[in-house]
Amino acid sequence: ETGVTQTPRHLVMGMTNKKSLKCEQHLGHNAMYWYKQSAKKPLELMFVYSLEERVENNSVPSRFSPECPNSSHLFLHLHTLQPEDSALYLCASSQGRGRVTDTQYFGPGTRLTVL
Amino acid sequence: AQKITQTQPGMFVQEKEAVTLDCTYDTSDPSYGLFWYKQPSSGEMIFLIYQGSYDQQNATEGRYSLNFQKARKSANLVISASQLGDSAMYFCAMRETNTGNQFYFGTGTSLTVIP
Repeated sequence: ETGVTQTPRHLVMGMTNKKSLKCEQHLGHNAMYWYKQSAKKPLELMFVYSLEERVENNSVPSRFSPECPNSSHLFLHLHTLQPEDSALYLCASSQGRGRVTDTQYFGPGTRLTVL
Repeated sequence: AQKITQTQPGMFVQEKEAVTLDCTYDTSDPSYGLFWYKQPSSGEMIFLIYQGSYDQQNATEGRYSLNFQKARKSANLVISASQLGDSAMYFCAMRETNTGNQFYFGTGTSLTVIP
């Protein structure tokens, strides 16, 4: 049983649609992360939130907009996406103490297809 | 330069045999952590094992062990007594003290266990 849940698990959207991905963690962690996983490429870190403040934004296009209303919830708002944005989007959480031992725990991911 | 290198895109192993998945890393930070994750076809990244750079002994977790060779900058995952459920993608990752929240992932190795 995972302590990190993501909804929806699958999403198909057109380039003009607006949708949101949701992530919830039940582990009492303070940090949450969004990753993009495309075929044949390493995981790409998109955003990091620590104690509900965004601490990292790895040059992600503005068509991706994160929101972290509290330490348990993380959203990724999507608008006017491109077909190359089709990927698996993974959410993760960690205790967020910044130590090398800070293990990230992942959700099951949302498989996004942009038509 | 790649921070994490996994040179085996695909591996096959007979059920009940042991298999080693290779991982080399690149860092000048004296304090770092190394992680292995398993990703079944369902998509979720499952944390398997952690090795700290200052740990004197190789990490073990059940059937998983990490062959840590610091001078060679390698952190190979050994899976003993392979099971059909071990078929999945395996990712090596690293976290450095100096880069805080950044996790560096390799491109993964696809493991297939043959009955």
